[in-house]
Amino acid sequence: EAGVTQFPSHSVIEKGQTVTLRCDPISGHDNLYWYRRVMGKEIKFLLHFVKESKQDESGMPNNRFLAERTGGTYSTLKVQPAELEDSGVYFCASSQDRNQKRYFGPGTRLTVL
Amino acid sequence: GNSVTQMEGPVTLSEEAFLTINCTYTATGYPSLFWYVQYPGEGLQLLLKATKADDKGSNKGFEATYRKETTSFHLEKGSVQVSDSAVYFCALRSSGSARQLTFGSGTQLTVLP
Repeated sequence: EAGVTQFPSHSVIEKGQTVTLRCDPISGHDNLYWYRRVMGKEIKFLLHFVKESKQDESGMPNNRFLAERTGGTYSTLKVQPAELEDSGVYFCASSQDRNQKRYFGPGTRLTVL
Repeated sequence: GNSVTQMEGPVTLSEEAFLTINCTYTATGYPSLFWYVQYPGEGLQLLLKATKADDKGSNKGFEATYRKETTSFHLEKGSVQVSDSAVYFCALRSSGSARQLTFGSGTQLTVLP
């Protein structure tokens, strides 16, 4: 069974540009989560999808971040326009049920210059 | 709100040394506690967990005991190996409606042969 995959693994962009991160959860997992780790600090929750619906987006930092999960399969996280403080590693995770084990992807390392 | 404080790294040990990574938490209610590990180039993996006070989680020679009186969940291993080199994250999941994971800042462990 394939695990959670994320694309790209690395992205380097300039301030003001747009970047879209993609997450493919494990097949059949209705719950999908986005997290990020900035500057080697703690991993912070961004948002939680149940199928295509946003269950909890309390961790989204501001309106430059837009997450979608059309069709309830893969998800995208768009940052527009990117700022320097957005640099970090963005993790995606999925689970079959919100109370069950979460499987994490390898992360996308975003660098904003 | 919930928070997790873990021992700052990096930690460098020789093979077969004893490992302790401290973790303390602040949470309302009765959270579940976790240790995640991220090996180089991979996603976070659940290492062990404990869901109630005095529970001991264990896996791959690692142990951690849920201590409610000291609000701690320290990670220990009696004899580390080079293959244990990774970043270790302590985390909690509250018993409230949110049930999102709250992570510590991570501790980089390097084990030298």
